[in-house]
Amino acid sequence: DAKTTQPPSMDCAEGRAANLPCNHSTISGNEYVYWYRQIHSQGPQYIIHGLKNNETNEMASLIITEDRKSSTLILPHATLRDTAVYYCIVRLYRKLIWGLGTSLAVNP
Amino acid sequence: DAMVIQNPRYQVTQFGKPVTLSCSQTLNHNVMYWYQQKSSQAPKLLFHYYDKDFNNEADTPDNFQSRRPNTSFCFLDIRSPGLGDAAMYLCATSRAENQPQHFGDGTRLSIL
Repeated sequence: DAKTTQPPSMDCAEGRAANLPCNHSTISGNEYVYWYRQIHSQGPQYIIHGLKNNETNEMASLIITEDRKSSTLILPHATLRDTAVYYCIVRLYRKLIWGLGTSLAVNP
Repeated sequence: DAMVIQNPRYQVTQFGKPVTLSCSQTLNHNVMYWYQQKSSQAPKLLFHYYDKDFNNEADTPDNFQSRRPNTSFCFLDIRSPGLGDAAMYLCATSRAENQPQHFGDGTRLSIL
């Protein structure tokens, strides 16, 4: 059963920040939040993950609320190539519990 | 410089005819996974290997088997494919079970 809730779709203008929300209100203390994306006809691509602290890498930033019940993935300057389905995932030990994903459309 | 390679990208088989999908990796990762992904759904884990140790998910049908002859290769065997097995099959690897997974681009299986 999915432990995350995401909006089914979002739009973003090219060059603007894309902020993708995720609710994981039943997350346990030792469960990580992972984000992957899947571009059409490709395999999922790892983006970022975190436990409690905010994280940033070359692709994105992950903001996790203090109570850990929700998080936001931020793509700082979205491009057309960022159009994809973005999955918010909870990892318990070795298993990824996938949500249903948000289909992000980046528009020119 | 593809790191997780799945062949073929598209596979067609007949109802009930055994089919094998293959996956290879150049990452030297210890763990290899097989997922099934149906249209507009998230990937569903079928099983995984940690080195040579096989771990089957409780709800994976017996029709699905796997082999890992060495670190680099892993195979998914579907013994008697049914129409409901038509899907994208994704292979992934990770250095350890608690590390990020790297996915191949999948094999789309069609059943005639």
